[in-house]
Amino acid sequence: EAQVTQNPRYLITVTGKKLTVTCSQNMNHEYMSWYRQDPGLGLRQIYYSMNVEVTDKGDVPEGYKVSRKEKRNFPLILESPSPNQTSLYFCASSPLWAGTTAEQFFGPGTRLTVL
Amino acid sequence: AQTVTQSQPEMSVQEAETVTLSCTYDTSESNYYLFWYKQPPSRQMILVIRQEAYKQQNATENRFSVNFQKAAKSFSLKISDSQLGDTAMYFCAFFAFGGATNKLIFGTGTLLAVQP
Repeated sequence: EAQVTQNPRYLITVTGKKLTVTCSQNMNHEYMSWYRQDPGLGLRQIYYSMNVEVTDKGDVPEGYKVSRKEKRNFPLILESPSPNQTSLYFCASSPLWAGTTAEQFFGPGTRLTVL
Repeated sequence: AQTVTQSQPEMSVQEAETVTLSCTYDTSESNYYLFWYKQPPSRQMILVIRQEAYKQQNATENRFSVNFQKAAKSFSLKISDSQLGDTAMYFCAFFAFGGATNKLIFGTGTLLAVQP
């Protein structure tokens, strides 16, 4: 089954404790990205990657890191989480092949709470 | 910078009626894609419909259709014969594929409630 998976789905942590949210896709997509969703603000892009070893900042990158060492994986790293990073996080992937429509396939989301 | 605006935070419609959700965007790109995503209470993001900017014909998917006005930078979603399962948050989104940004930009969403 074609899908984007995220782990964990729910996480409660404390300020300053490093964490990683994993994201994996099995569709051989080049494009992967991370979003955070906050009430009244919609989804905002944190980072995106056009391919292996190619990453770039989205609109709200502060406090986050990413890496793209393999095509299928795109982990999101919070090295020192703070309460303002409490949010719902989505990973997504998309093909960049000619003729595709850039549809983003979303993971199920990760609810993060930083105390 | 590209922006997407959804001016209706909440809307309500009676079952079986028709409702239109509005979306406007701003961009200097000529080649882009527009999407409507649905987010039900499960929080899953579900693609409803998409439109390529170079296509003049409005996209349709069963009960869902769009009114794409490129010159006006408007991309509204019409839901016909509304059903209870259409109750969800709806997001309009813009993607300038191959453009300067390669970012997917979302509006703030419209919460649609379908009343029985």
